[in-house]
Amino acid sequence: QQKVQQSPESLIVPEGAMTSLNCTFSDSASQYFAWYRQHSGKAPKALMSIFSNGEKEEGRFTIHLNKASLHFSLHIRDSQPSDSALYLCAVIASGGNYKPTFGKGTSLVVHP
Amino acid sequence: EAAVTQSPRSKVAVTGGKVTLSCHQTNNHDYMYWYRQDTGHGLRLIHYSYVADSTEKGDIPDGYKASRPSQENFSLILELASLSQTAVYFCASSLDWGGYAEQFFGPGTRLTVL
Repeated sequence: QQKVQQSPESLIVPEGAMTSLNCTFSDSASQYFAWYRQHSGKAPKALMSIFSNGEKEEGRFTIHLNKASLHFSLHIRDSQPSDSALYLCAVIASGGNYKPTFGKGTSLVVHP
Repeated sequence: EAAVTQSPRSKVAVTGGKVTLSCHQTNNHDYMYWYRQDTGHGLRLIHYSYVADSTEKGDIPDGYKASRPSQENFSLILELASLSQTAVYFCASSLDWGGYAEQFFGPGTRLTVL
């Protein structure tokens, strides 16, 4: 069974800082990797996704994937108070098993 | 934007009672999912479905049943509710698992079992 772990569990950063969130997975055949953001009391919402090794940038957000290291990460440049939320990583394996597996989340607080 | 609705939005149930949570999507998506969220556990997959009239077990299916009578509707059924099933339940849908695997979540149902 796929194991997905996130670190750190919680993070407090000042406004304007670079924030880095990490996710490790256990199934080397995994093919889809995504980050979701969940503001307090709201539904999770997809932020970014990646399929192949490398880097993808969208605005202030960058996702890195290294399949050999079983690791992907999310970097937030110029963090804003509105970025304060629970960040969840999700992984989908291959081989006909379409079950998505989520990590437990990283709680981010960006203080002004 | 893709739309997923859930009903009820909150419910209080008694131990041993039957609870049905409903989910409806207007996205024309084939895949639908039920998750529960507890503090410290993130999102855990209960059941999912990729076609009407068929459901699959997720990672924590014990104590739950699912029903997918149509592409648009997906229900989660607790036949004998227990205290440990108190949680927030999210339904989600996605177009595909591959290139379009982004999941769209409903607003959630807060279930309290007393």
